[in-house]
Amino acid sequence: DTEVTQTPKHLVMGMTNKKSLKCEQHMGHRAMYWYKQKAKKPPELMFVYSYEKLSINESVPSRFSPECPNSSLLNLHLHALQPEDSALYLCASSQGDRLNEKLFFGSGTQLSVL
Amino acid sequence: AQKITQTQPGMFVQEKEAVTLDCTYDTSDQSYGLFWYKQPSSGEMIFLIYQGSYDEQNATEGRYSLNFQKARKSANLVISASQLGDSAMYFCAMREAYNNNDMRFGAGTRLTVKP
Repeated sequence: DTEVTQTPKHLVMGMTNKKSLKCEQHMGHRAMYWYKQKAKKPPELMFVYSYEKLSINESVPSRFSPECPNSSLLNLHLHALQPEDSALYLCASSQGDRLNEKLFFGSGTQLSVL
Repeated sequence: AQKITQTQPGMFVQEKEAVTLDCTYDTSDQSYGLFWYKQPSSGEMIFLIYQGSYDEQNATEGRYSLNFQKARKSANLVISASQLGDSAMYFCAMREAYNNNDMRFGAGTRLTVKP
């Protein structure tokens, strides 16, 4: 199994809603990532978990809250989002954090905030 | 500061021909890794090829090769024998030794393969 699975694939939410994005991998990878990608732009790093500990938080607003319940799961909890938060949210994983380790990406959650 | 630069927003290539996508980078680290990813319209990022800063030979993976010029800090992707399915966004990315978890991407190049 070489897949990173993200659910849901599409999400529409209002600015007062609370929702969560889910990411799962069963490759035994110990690093997991959240990226945000606006249309026609590169992915921007949001959070990194390494061995289930948050190692990078790229000054992301508190309305985004990551969680890593175990080494296979990564969640992104969303609350009181703004329309400008509409984007493709990509989850990725890598075996560890060595320089040569590639990231495996999920197909993303397309989020629309109304 | 932007560390990865891709200066070609869009490129066109005729089917079966070769194409080079440019990438330059900036780092003060001696140890770093360079990656190329493909993103079709479906959205998923697909790993293509990797080059380490200490690798003496240019990386190759099937139809993909990386033209690594360390002194110029460039890592251009060469796609040989282009296929229609190669039409996609292509991103160059880098990891630096001082913060191995942090993979940063360039702005990307949209490649269109013409039949």
